Amino acid sequence: QQQVRQSPQSLTVWEGETAILNCSYEDSTFNYFPWYQQFPGEGPALLISISSVSDKKEDGRFTIFFNKREKKLSLHITDSQPGDSATYFCAAPPGNYKYVFGAGTRLKVIA
Amino acid sequence: GGIITQTPKFLIGQEGQKLTLKCQQNFNHDTMYWYRQDSGKGLRLIYYSITENDLQKGDLSEGYDASREKKSSFSLTVTSAQKNEMAVFLCASSIQDRGRAEQFFGPGTRLTVL
Repeated sequence: QQQVRQSPQSLTVWEGETAILNCSYEDSTFNYFPWYQQFPGEGPALLISISSVSDKKEDGRFTIFFNKREKKLSLHITDSQPGDSATYFCAAPPGNYKYVFGAGTRLKVIA
Repeated sequence: GGIITQTPKFLIGQEGQKLTLKCQQNFNHDTMYWYRQDSGKGLRLIYYSITENDLQKGDLSEGYDASREKKSSFSLTVTSAQKNEMAVFLCASSIQDRGRAEQFFGPGTRLTVL
């Protein structure tokens, strides 16, 4: 049972375009959503996060949009760069101390 | 800053073999985690330890044992490696926080079972 779903599985954009990565969840008690970025051969690292009391969180070129009613989030990467090519994971805490992760979206940015 | 070290980086085993993966962190974090990462399936929690001497099962604990030897180290044992198994095992740590602590990950151990 997937508690956090991500789409698309992979995404290719041109340099300078906006990449949009989607995440949805089922449990309405989820109230915090971190996004992790993982480069090949490395472990994931926290990129940006949002609390369910907000509908938008921005950090430079990275913005999370959150629709609580539809249980959906999206990560927008504006002015995409080849260095943004990585796998992006949406996550949520189903209980104390732990997270459940989505399957990830593999982003490729072509120069 | 701190770092998480995982050893070995690559692990090749035989079917039925018992294999141990090690993780060390110097963040002085209380909580540590072991995840399994399979292609296309994201990260699945195997075991976690809230504090030294604590051990909690995750969703994927069957077939694994874990040991929190001290605050800075957390080991994972594959009790009987499965033929053709390939996965990356990721160790992580965080402060002891009930819901929103950032997790810091190591680079992973890549397991191949022949």
